[in-house]
Amino acid sequence: AQSVTQLDSHVSVSEGTPVLLRCNYSSSYSPSLFWYVQHPNKGLQLLLKYTSAATLVKGINGFEAEFKKSETSFHLTKPSAHMSDAAEYFCVPRDDKIIFGKGTRLHILP
Amino acid sequence: EAGVAQSPRYKIIEKRQSVAFWCNPISGHATLYWYQQILGQGPKLLIQFQNNGVVDDSQLPKDRFSAERLKGVDSTLKIQPAKLEDSAVYLCASSPISRQSSYEQYFGPGTRLTVT
Repeated sequence: AQSVTQLDSHVSVSEGTPVLLRCNYSSSYSPSLFWYVQHPNKGLQLLLKYTSAATLVKGINGFEAEFKKSETSFHLTKPSAHMSDAAEYFCVPRDDKIIFGKGTRLHILP
Repeated sequence: EAGVAQSPRYKIIEKRQSVAFWCNPISGHATLYWYQQILGQGPKLLIQFQNNGVVDDSQLPKDRFSAERLKGVDSTLKIQPAKLEDSAVYLCASSPISRQSSYEQYFGPGTRLTVT
């Protein structure tokens, strides 16, 4: 059965330092994979997606994610955090079902 | 291009009352989704339409929830009767194609429901 695990419910980093948000999934076959961001009191917005092309995917606001089939992972990274990155992030695998992870809240320390 | 519209933005009702939410997807998007997002959790898919047909409603509590998408454009989600545990944000999303899973979803601002 398809599932997704976001390994950290909260991540805190200092402004200007790297960000790593971890996501592991399981699926019967290679799904499409998405990261969405949800800022407080705002709607969900697509950050990036993987759809079986390049394994390193670049998204908006300097975010990237790398698809590693052998590890069934799709971790989200950013080289340098900004205060405006503070939000909830959701990893979403999609094959015949759509399943949102439980989310990772990213805190940015000044 | 106009985004996904939802109304109302906020609703407070008492338990056992009924409530309805409305969604208008992005023009031309064939697929429409309703999600329930309980505070502190990720969105849970309630129902997925392609045009005016249901693709997936496996997680819709059919004893109290219903949804329709007449004419394959806008949609309504109804709860009757509401329970305390239905307090959540109800999100509507749309995407251009259903079967091709590579198409991302575009989300509306949501309706925050409080059941007292």
